[in-house]
Amino acid sequence: GAGVSQSPRYKVAKRGQDVALRCDPISGHVSLFWYQQALGQGPEFLTYFQNEAQLDKSGLPSDRFFAERPEGSVSTLKIQRTQQEDSAVYLCASSPLGLTNTEAFFGQGTRLTVV
Amino acid sequence: KNEVEQSPQNLTAQEGEFITINCSYSVGISALHWLQQHPGGGIVSLFMLSSGKKKHGRLIATINIQEKHSSLHITASHPRDSAVYICAVRSGSNYQLIWGAGTKLIIKP
Repeated sequence: GAGVSQSPRYKVAKRGQDVALRCDPISGHVSLFWYQQALGQGPEFLTYFQNEAQLDKSGLPSDRFFAERPEGSVSTLKIQRTQQEDSAVYLCASSPLGLTNTEAFFGQGTRLTVV
Repeated sequence: KNEVEQSPQNLTAQEGEFITINCSYSVGISALHWLQQHPGGGIVSLFMLSSGKKKHGRLIATINIQEKHSSLHITASHPRDSAVYICAVRSGSNYQLIWGAGTKLIIKP
């Protein structure tokens, strides 16, 4: 596609349920980022991939959060045993190169509501 | 004190007005990004700057590296410009972005 695509756009999960959020980056983009944005807050870094390698997962808030990008393209952010504090918009961004100052392209985000 | 500060936090203006949003930062940077986020929507990258000035349509972004300051200007503002505008910087070779808190802009018809 022309841009970064995220699915689903909206997800309502019952507390304790596992969820999987998908990100399709722009084809050929090396870098992929996941961010968490709570209501009224700026995005918070979760994790960074360069191709299939997860180079930084320091932002993942707990071991219930897991991200993968097995073939260096599509990425999945999985949240196990969701809690109410996990409710947020999860943003994915990709950029064409690695650790350089290149522009990042963002998806529309997935709004997760845990009830 | 936050490393990236934006002002104003909120801005309401009439259609047609010239808009300025400011961003000051305290770290050394390799790039500064201006991004736009509509309610319930994703983030759209408007500009990436490392020096000087860039223009795209009615949007102009400037940066003064010595003063560690950037401005985003909107000429002939329109209600569809209503959004949150976010300044984010990339410090050195660090791939992570340091985000400002955003400026909520409302343009009234």
